[in-house]
Amino acid sequence: AQSVTQLDSHVSVSEGTPVLLRCNYSSSYSPSLFWYVQHPNKGLQLLLKYTSAATLVKGINGFEAEFKKSETSFHLTKPSAHMSDAAEYFCVVSDPQAGTALIFGKGTTLSVSS
Amino acid sequence: GAVVSQHPSRVICKSGTSVKIECRSLDFQATTMFWYRQFPKQSLMLMATSNEGSKATYEQGVEKDKFLINHASLTLSTLTVTSAHPEDSSFYICSASLGTVNTGELFFGEGSRLTVL
Repeated sequence: AQSVTQLDSHVSVSEGTPVLLRCNYSSSYSPSLFWYVQHPNKGLQLLLKYTSAATLVKGINGFEAEFKKSETSFHLTKPSAHMSDAAEYFCVVSDPQAGTALIFGKGTTLSVSS
Repeated sequence: GAVVSQHPSRVICKSGTSVKIECRSLDFQATTMFWYRQFPKQSLMLMATSNEGSKATYEQGVEKDKFLINHASLTLSTLTVTSAHPEDSSFYICSASLGTVNTGELFFGEGSRLTVL
């Protein structure tokens, strides 16, 4: 069975400092992994996705994530936080061979202070 | 990128009434759409998978007669909350896929906030 665990429910950083949002997954097969961002009262926007190509994935707004199979991790990073990055972030896993829809992590709230 | 539009964005209704939420793919055809429910400060919970021209597939614990889903065309899926009660108050989000669900990107609507008085 698939699952995804976001290790931090809330992360606080100062503007200009690095961001690290942690995500571990469990999947029987080679999964596809995604990070989505949700701003208050809005839908979700795809930041980046891993689908068995390059393990280091670059996304929008300066975010990137590295797929590490040995650690079953897909952590999201950004070198320098911006105030506009404050939002809810979801790590999502899908398992093509299991034939199910996306499984969402519980989310990490990112706060950015000036 | 592909655009998914949800309407209405906010709706307030009295207990016992029914509310319809529309989800449209504006510039692509979506064979499959998904309906999620999100409680405050929580993750998205998949309610059902909506397939054009066929019955929706509901997740365990989701009442089919309570949450009616219709996917009559390749660009429109509707969720009707029947006989709404205060506990149905929530943020409902739809999404659609361009290609194969499990390998492609999902495009999300802006969400619809339902408040039942």
